[in-house]
Amino acid sequence: GAVVSQHPSWVICKSGTSVKIECRSLDFQATTMFWYRQFPKQSLMLMATSNEGSKATYEQGVEKDKFLINHASLTLSTLTVTSAHPEDSSFYICSVKGLAGRYEQYFGPGTRLTVT
Amino acid sequence: SQQGEEDPQALSIQEGENATMNCSYKTSINNLQWYRQNSGRGLVHLILIRSNEREKHSGRLRVTLDTSKKSSSLLITASRAADTASYFCANSLLQGAQKLVFGQGTRLTINP
Repeated sequence: GAVVSQHPSWVICKSGTSVKIECRSLDFQATTMFWYRQFPKQSLMLMATSNEGSKATYEQGVEKDKFLINHASLTLSTLTVTSAHPEDSSFYICSVKGLAGRYEQYFGPGTRLTVT
Repeated sequence: SQQGEEDPQALSIQEGENATMNCSYKTSINNLQWYRQNSGRGLVHLILIRSNEREKHSGRLRVTLDTSKKSSSLLITASRAADTASYFCANSLLQGAQKLVFGQGTRLTINP
């Protein structure tokens, strides 16, 4: 399976500032990446599907102007949380879709965001 | 919401016992997958079962799928302390099969 990294692993920021989270596919060219959000002791909720070279597809209820996604290369997708508020504090996880015709996803280790 | 349900929400057993987790989903699926998440970490893919399969094995894992009941179960045999984690089922929709819809998860604790 693919090896996926995220940076940073944790970040604390002040309310109103923006934070960028990177997701890298280290050994696999990923045309499709996914961004999830997970609140404590809850499940993963898909935020958006990131396709290399095109605009991301956001799930219903996710503000695209607040959660900016850029998938500029086959190995890197970024999620920028703009004008962060305390309610944006969460665990953000990215994943990479496997080879064409396969449905498994390979997940990064996650980024813990705390907005004060 | 298309999110499915899992039960139990939490399960605590002794090392060596078997652990069974159940998952239900709401829509027609292409496949169903099970993932493990250690506390504060990303998810690890365990096993995938296609909609036309009824049972699948991988090591100490056994997964069943009943599409008529829209349910699946994960059995871990001869549990070990290292199996302590949260387990999530995720279904891949018939339309838009690349997206996954996760269940609420089962927190499994294996007591030594």
